[in-house]
Order: sequence, then structure tokens, then C-alpha cells
Amino acid sequence: GEDVEQSLFLSVREGDSSVINCTYTDSSSTYLYWYKQEPGAGLQLLTYIFSNMDMKQDQRLTVLLNKKDKHLSLRIADTQTGDSAIYFCAEKKEPGSARQLTFGSGTQLTVLP
Amino acid sequence: DAGVTQSPTHLIKTRGQHVTLRCSPISGHKSVSWYQQVLGQGPQFIFQYYEKEERGRGNFPDRFSARQFPNYSSELNVNALLLGDSALYLCASSSGPGSYEQYFGPGTRLTVT
Repeated sequence: GEDVEQSLFLSVREGDSSVINCTYTDSSSTYLYWYKQEPGAGLQLLTYIFSNMDMKQDQRLTVLLNKKDKHLSLRIADTQTGDSAIYFCAEKKEPGSARQLTFGSGTQLTVLP
Repeated sequence: DAGVTQSPTHLIKTRGQHVTLRCSPISGHKSVSWYQQVLGQGPQFIFQYYEKEERGRGNFPDRFSARQFPNYSSELNVNALLLGDSALYLCASSSGPGSYEQYFGPGTRLTVT
């Protein structure tokens, strides 16, 4: 099965908060990431969190990590139309792993005016 | 500073042909990773190269190969193309194999007919 799972779609109103969820299965994951992909573009690194942290805040973005439940979330405050994109959760299993990142299938965020 | 650059942007090939994709990492980065992103899915890890040596390989057939040059740029080669090789090929740059930050290029869209 998938190592990283995400819901496929999320719609929010402009100005509301968005919460995108992700679950992972490998408890040895040491770094967890959120990337943003706009149509026809590559992936933009938004933020990441080390597995020994519970929360990380970076401007409008808040990442929450629940290691017990292997659950990661990305909260976007004051969501704007420019935030419409696909958001990918990714994990890196071991420090220095050459296997690199394992991605979920992405969540399509649509921001309605 | 320029980010990760990839060429070409798009290309169309026929089944059985060979293709070469190119990537230049961020200045100062010595590691390049390649990912395949099939439409509607998250990226899948293909290779990582560091200091011209292969440091990791994903679950892809031997038709896929890559190399890294002294200037740290990289090529991904795919032989005997199949329809299923149609995808966005992404290159990611990092300072080294253990780095927890990877930055992606815009990708090369390959269509196999």
C-alpha cells in the first residue's frame, strides 16, 4: 500500500483557514515535508518538520505532527486564491538516506472567491 | 541566483526511441536527484547522484540510467521508451545526499506516442 496518504480534494473560501492532512506509515521517518505544485510547474518546498518536533510555524503556515498517530497536517491561515494548487506531503526515512523522498498523491486545494 | 534548470521543457517521442533529459543544479549544490511524476500521482524517486557517483536508485527498470558531470549537472537517459514512460520528469538539487532540503526544477514533460 501507499507509504504516504492524503485526501484528494479540499475546497475553502478565500480568507478561511485550510487544513491539509497526511498520514504516513513508517515510524522511522525523520523529516516530513510539504511541497506545493502549481499547474504545469515543478514542486516548491513550503516547509518541513523534524520528527522530534510537534509543531512548526512559518508565517501563514503551521505544521502539526502527531507521531503516535503518524499524522501530519498543514494549516494555511487566511487562504488566498494564489494558494490554489496541489499540496504534497513527503517523508524521508533515515538521516542521510539516499532513497530520498517518498511522496503522497497530493491534495488539490481550490480556493473559492 | 538561478534555481534548478531543466531542458527541454517538453518533448514528444515514439515508442522504442531513446530520450536524454538534462538538469543543472543550484550553484553550490553537488547532489542531483531525479523523480518521475505520472499524471495524478506524486513524484517517484528514480536516482540520486552525488560527486558523480550513484548514491541511490528507486524501483525503475534498467532502461533508466543517469550520470553526473564534473560541473554537477546531470542527464537522465531512458531507452526503449514505453507509453507508460509519459510523465513529468523532475530534477531536484541539494547540497549533499544527507541534506534535508531538496529544491525542484520545473520539470520536463515527456509524451510517448
